[in-house]
Amino acid sequence: GQQLNQSPQSMFIQEGEDVSMNCTSSSIFNTWLWYKQDPGEGPVLLIALYKAGELTSNGRLTAQFGITRKDSFLNISASIPSDVGIYFCAGPQPTLNSNSGYALNFGKGTSLLVTP
Amino acid sequence: DVKVTQSSRYLVKRTGEKVFLECVQDMDHENMFWYRQDPGLGLRLIYFSYDVKMKEKGDIPEGYSVSREKKERFSLILESASTNQTSMYLCASSTSGWNTEAFFGQGTRLTVV
Repeated sequence: GQQLNQSPQSMFIQEGEDVSMNCTSSSIFNTWLWYKQDPGEGPVLLIALYKAGELTSNGRLTAQFGITRKDSFLNISASIPSDVGIYFCAGPQPTLNSNSGYALNFGKGTSLLVTP
Repeated sequence: DVKVTQSSRYLVKRTGEKVFLECVQDMDHENMFWYRQDPGLGLRLIYFSYDVKMKEKGDIPEGYSVSREKKERFSLILESASTNQTSMYLCASSTSGWNTEAFFGQGTRLTVV
């Protein structure tokens, strides 16, 4: 599938700090999704972006769909210990059957550790 | 809420065994997926199904097959398990169309010894 480059690979921060991570692609996407995976669990959708330039918030999380449609970022403000986990960006990759929709292509994730 | 349920959280199997991983979703979603997650490699798509009995290969289908006899159920089959298939397996589902929010199960951690 299309490669999504996610950075940084890992972050180790103190509680209360703000966090920023981003995702880039060589291809244009019409949707960007951000997921969080808690240790030992499946990923959970945090934010979905559908329009270039769109800025969307979900509590302390804010994500933006880049104007070029080739990038997106996720910010977390005032981090807390339960923010620990792996954050993935994802975008749709076309499947052979155009009527079936798309599978999601994922970045390799940003691992976030928060110390109290 | 969408619920995607995987039949096992943890499995230990022997090399050469045939292994079945089961996934059920309760939201009448057309699409179902199997991903594999390994450290440093993220989530990689194994197989995708867009309808009953319909399937497409993902990025890493070798050594796997799938079955979808009912809309709500999608099975991943390891025909002859090998140690390099030790991994976390994640099932997901979504509606059809370009709005592709996928909902994941809790994962199955498979160890092949």
